[in-house]
Amino acid sequence: AQSVTQLDSHVSVSEGTPVLLRCNYSSSYSPSLFWYVQHPNKGLQLLLKYTSAATLVKGINGFEAEFKKSETSFHLTKPSAHMSDAAEYFCVVSDLRSSASKIIFGSGTRLSIRP
Amino acid sequence: EAEVAQSPRYKITEKSQAVAFWCDPISGHATLYWYRQILGQGPELLVQFQDESVVDDSQLPKDRFSAERLKGVDSTLKIQPAELGDSAMYLCASSLISGASYNEQFFGPGTRLTVL
Repeated sequence: AQSVTQLDSHVSVSEGTPVLLRCNYSSSYSPSLFWYVQHPNKGLQLLLKYTSAATLVKGINGFEAEFKKSETSFHLTKPSAHMSDAAEYFCVVSDLRSSASKIIFGSGTRLSIRP
Repeated sequence: EAEVAQSPRYKITEKSQAVAFWCDPISGHATLYWYRQILGQGPELLVQFQDESVVDDSQLPKDRFSAERLKGVDSTLKIQPAELGDSAMYLCASSLISGASYNEQFFGPGTRLTVL
């Protein structure tokens, strides 16, 4: 069975400081992992994805995430926060070896940016 | 840029009424997904289509929810009768194909349903 846990429901950082959004997963197989961002009144947008290639994945808008199998983690980071980064972020796990695999979203982390 | 279209964007209905949501995926995308997102939670997959066939509807409350994709293109999700607990955002997404070679899911803007 698969599951995903986002460890913080709300993270607040100052503009220009680093961002860390934490995600832990559980999967019986080698998982595929994703981060999506949801801005108010907009659709979900894919930030980045890990599908068993390089463990350090670079995404859009300066975000990156590192797959750590030993820690079952896939934390999202950004060196310097921008006001436009304020949004809801979702970590997603899936086992893509099956066409009917479950796609599981985490409960989300709301990122706030202080001026 | 191609987008997933959904309508209506907002729907207010009274409990026990029927509601329907429509989704038009990106042209050429074989896989279509319907999700429900309750306020403060992550999206939950309700049903997944591969072309016109249902691949997964294990989380769809089949006593009141139904979904179809008759020609393998656009799709309709129906709730009859609506209950107060159905108030949520209903999201549609599409991808080229699911399975071993991942293709990104593209999401529509969603339909926000309020049941009074």
